[in-house]
Formats: sequence, C-alpha cells, structure tokens
Amino acid sequence: GAVVSQHPSRVICKSGTSVKIECRSLDFQATTMFWYRQFPKKSLMLMATSNEGSKATYEQGVEKDKFLINHASLTLSTLTVTSAHPEDSSFYICSAPQPGGYANEQFFGPGTRLTVL
Amino acid sequence: AQSVTQLDSHVSVSEGTPVLLRCNYSSSYSPSLFWYVQHPNKGLQLLLKYTSAATLVKGINGFEAEFKKSETSFHLTKPSAHMSDAAEYFCVVGRPTGANNLFFGTGTRLTVIP
Repeated sequence: GAVVSQHPSRVICKSGTSVKIECRSLDFQATTMFWYRQFPKKSLMLMATSNEGSKATYEQGVEKDKFLINHASLTLSTLTVTSAHPEDSSFYICSAPQPGGYANEQFFGPGTRLTVL
Repeated sequence: AQSVTQLDSHVSVSEGTPVLLRCNYSSSYSPSLFWYVQHPNKGLQLLLKYTSAATLVKGINGFEAEFKKSETSFHLTKPSAHMSDAAEYFCVVGRPTGANNLFFGTGTRLTVIP
C-alpha cells in the first residue's frame, strides 16, 4: 500500500545550525503534503501545507523564515529548520493525502525526532 | 470551530478484556471523524473513519467506533485486547471536504497487561 517515509528518523544538532527533514511519498504522487509538530504528551499541530511547485501555506503563529518548506517534486517535500534552537526540539511528522480518499484522509510518515543541544 | 477531547491520557487493560477509549468532539460542521494509532517509531495508521454514513464504524484489527451526535462522542472499542494493541491512539476531527483541517486529540496511551 501507499507509504510515506521520512528521513532522518532522528537528528541531534547544535544550536544555531540548520536541519533538513525529507518527506517522501512512495508509490504515489502527492501535490500536497502536510507538516505537523508533536510536543510530548500533546496532540499534533499542523505547521504548514506544502504545495508542489508553489509556496507553502503556513498556519498562524508558524514562522515561515524559521521553517522553510520546499516541495520540489510530486514525491518529495522538505522541511528545513533554520538556525535551530533548543525550543525547536520536537517530533516532526509529515503526511500526504490518500489517493482517492477524502481530502483529509492522509498517510502519515514515521516522524523525525529533532533534538537541539 | 472544531476541537476534540480525549478523556483519558492513559488506559490500562488486561489482555483479553474489552477496550474503551473515549473521545468527544466539537464541530461547527457535519464532521468527519477518525481514529489513528501510533506505534513507537511508526507512522500514524488509520484505524477507522466516520464520514456521515453508518454511525457504527468498523475498522481494522477488530476495532469499532460509534458516532453519537446527541452525545458528540466517537468512542473507540474492541471486545478483546491483544498485546499488539499497546500503542498511542488519536481521535481526529476534520471537515468532510476541502483543505486539510485535521484537529487531533492529545492522544490516549493504551497499555495491555499480559
């Protein structure tokens, strides 16, 4: 079946560095992908909608210059956390709409745990 | 506006006993409702969905949920818990059509005791 992958699964970086997270749709194309952030013992919060070939749409309160999103192809979206700081440490999850499903039926990636020292 | 409340952050059951994970929602629209399961280091997997068809929804792995509009509830049940059911469960409410507007509950961690 359709699967969404993320890479890396875990990353540790120093404060001030940038980190790129990849989200790939396997076996299907996704013109739209979504990026979520999950805090410990909290629900997933939508950060932004990634649109292939155009600018991402960010949710209110999410800094677009901090969280750069690129959707360069129909199977790949990237999230770059720029100048990361400890408060950016979190679990980042991407998703893609299920082909043929309702707009809000999604396949989710396994997530990327970011730790900023 | 939409929101979802999972009433229990942690549920513990013995293997072979029934599972009940509670979820209440609030929606200005006729909602679509989902239950997702998240195993450690795995992506969220769809268990079942309600999209204004039958109010009793059957999902994978023996799970089912009943949409009760009068109670604004969508509780997840399973007659007999298996060890492999131990995971985090999320109740999610969304709009039936249109852009991604998924609202996640805070999750319920299910522990299954052998």
